[in-house]
Order: sequence, then C-alpha cells, then structure tokens
Amino acid sequence: AQSVTQLDSHVSVSEGTPVLLRCNYSSSYSPSLFWYVQHPNKGLQLLLKYTSAATLVKGINGFEAEFKKSETSFHLTKPSAHMSDAAEYFCVVSDRPGTASKLTFGTGTRLQVTL
Amino acid sequence: DSGVTQTPKHLITATGQRVTLRCSPRSGDLSVYWYQQSLDQGLQFLIQYYNGEERAKGNILERFSAQQFPDLHSELNLSSLELGDSALYFCASSPGGTSRAGELFFGEGSRLTVL
Repeated sequence: AQSVTQLDSHVSVSEGTPVLLRCNYSSSYSPSLFWYVQHPNKGLQLLLKYTSAATLVKGINGFEAEFKKSETSFHLTKPSAHMSDAAEYFCVVSDRPGTASKLTFGTGTRLQVTL
Repeated sequence: DSGVTQTPKHLITATGQRVTLRCSPRSGDLSVYWYQQSLDQGLQFLIQYYNGEERAKGNILERFSAQQFPDLHSELNLSSLELGDSALYFCASSPGGTSRAGELFFGEGSRLTVL
C-alpha cells in the first residue's frame, strides 16, 4: 500500500524568503511522486513530477523537489517566495506507473506568504 | 486555464435530492476522473472513465454513479443526498488511460452544499 504524509498543514513565510514544504512517502514499489498546487477557488495544477529519472526535479514557477530514497522524502522548495505562491500544495504518490487512477493525495499544506 | 470545464460551479440542494454534475475534458483527452474534496476526507478518487468505459473505481458510494458519453463529456450523478455529501467535486482529464501517469488536468470544481 502507498501513502504520503505532509508534515505541516500550514506554513507561513515572508516574501523573498525560502520555502520548504515537507513530504514523506511510503510505497511498496518504486514510486512516482508529484506536487500539485491549488490556488483559491481553482482546480489543482501539476507543479512537478518524479518518475525515476533525475532525483532533483525542477517544476514551474521556480519550484523544485528532491527525491531521497534513503529518507523516503520528496520535499518541495523554492529559493524565494512570492505573494502569488500562496496556495494549497499537495504531495501525491503513485506506486504503479501508468495508472493515474491509483494516485494517493496527501492532506495538503497551506502556504501563507506575508509581506 | 486547464481546458477542463465543469458545471455548475455552485449548487445548493436539500437532503434526499438528486443532482448531476457535468464535466467536459480537455480537447483530445480520453480519460475523465472524478474526485471529491472535503475538509475531513481530503481529496478522494471516485471513478475513472476511459473512452466511454469505466476504467477504475475508488471510494465511490453506491448512491453515486457516473458515465462518459460518446463526445467524451462525463456526468456524475449523486442521489439520496446527505449532509455529508457536501464537498467540492473535481473532474480531471488526461490524454490516455495510462499515459503520462499522474499528470492530470483539473477543472475548477463544482461546490455542492446539501442543507
């Protein structure tokens, strides 16, 4: 069985400071991992994905994530937060590449960006 | 704009009633997925259709049903509604049933309130 744990339900940062959103996963197989973002009153949008290629994955809007198998982690980072980054972020795991219906979503981390 | 269209955006109804949510996938996408997002359950996968056929089933209640039509749009029918069915219902689409696993394109959701 697969699962994801987002370690923080809420993160607050100042504009211009780094962002770190933490995600740990559990999977019986070599997982595919994703980060999705949900802005207020909008649908989810794919930020980035890891599918067993490079362990450091770059996504849209300056976000990146590093797959660490030894730590079973897939933390999302950004060097400098912008006000427009305020949103809900979901870590997602699939342990069966090719089966999008088997995605497991984390509970989400709400990112607040202050001036 | 993801290209996925959902209607209605908001719906208020009473317990015991029946509602239909509609989804038009991105042009060319053959798969449609339905998700339910609530505060207590998070994002839950309900069902997937691929080119008119049911492909996968998740945590969908027997009171709920869905179908995908020849023009690839999909409808989610919710009947005998209960207070606990109040949630945001998302539709997502992808090009194939198994291709680019995890990369889903989400609509903006239909917010259902059951009073």
